[in-house]
Amino acid sequence: DGGITQSPKYLFRKEGQNVTLSCEQNLNHDAMYWYRQDPGQGLRLIYYSQIVNDFQKGDIAEGYSVSREKKESFPLTVTSAQKNPTAFYLCASSIQGAKETQYFGPGTRLLVL
Amino acid sequence: GENVEQHPSTLSVQEGDSAVIKCTYSDSASNYFPWYKQELGKRPQLIIDIRSNVGEKKDQRIAVTLNKTAKHFSLHITETQPEDSAVYFCAATDGYQKVTFGIGTKLQVIP
Repeated sequence: DGGITQSPKYLFRKEGQNVTLSCEQNLNHDAMYWYRQDPGQGLRLIYYSQIVNDFQKGDIAEGYSVSREKKESFPLTVTSAQKNPTAFYLCASSIQGAKETQYFGPGTRLLVL
Repeated sequence: GENVEQHPSTLSVQEGDSAVIKCTYSDSASNYFPWYKQELGKRPQLIIDIRSNVGEKKDQRIAVTLNKTAKHFSLHITETQPEDSAVYFCAATDGYQKVTFGIGTKLQVIP
């Protein structure tokens, strides 16, 4: 668990502002994921990346963007196009792909001012 | 795409009783079924998983069963303890791309 970190713990966004959530792992995992957690809706996939410099949209990618320039890092940007960004965001990684255990970060709670 | 349904959404049991959480999936290609536990304010953690070539798997008080024909799998917790109180998520994947999670079951163990 300690091998995957997220920052900040809390993040406040103003109207029209883009904000970036950080996710770093030192587990040498190839695959990384971003999930959004809302009460009663479980974990919904935003984006995922199987290898460096490659990523795919998940089920709710609209209003979000990602990059995977380094194996260790998978930052998520919540753009102004995301009209309802208030949620708990979880980053996860796995050794190679979906058939392996996912290790989650501690999460970032995003609130709108 | 895959669709995972999970029941019940909330479950209360007396300490020492058993708890069962059920999930169904839609994609017959799915072959890996993990279960995650999320305690209040903490990150989800894998507690047990099962692959499609196995019908049942146990780990101490926790067991998971899989029925591929019916496309459903279940989590069984025996001799429940207060520390079992948490939200439990089932998930399914064909292993190639993404994992699809259920909506979660909030388990409360009453002392």
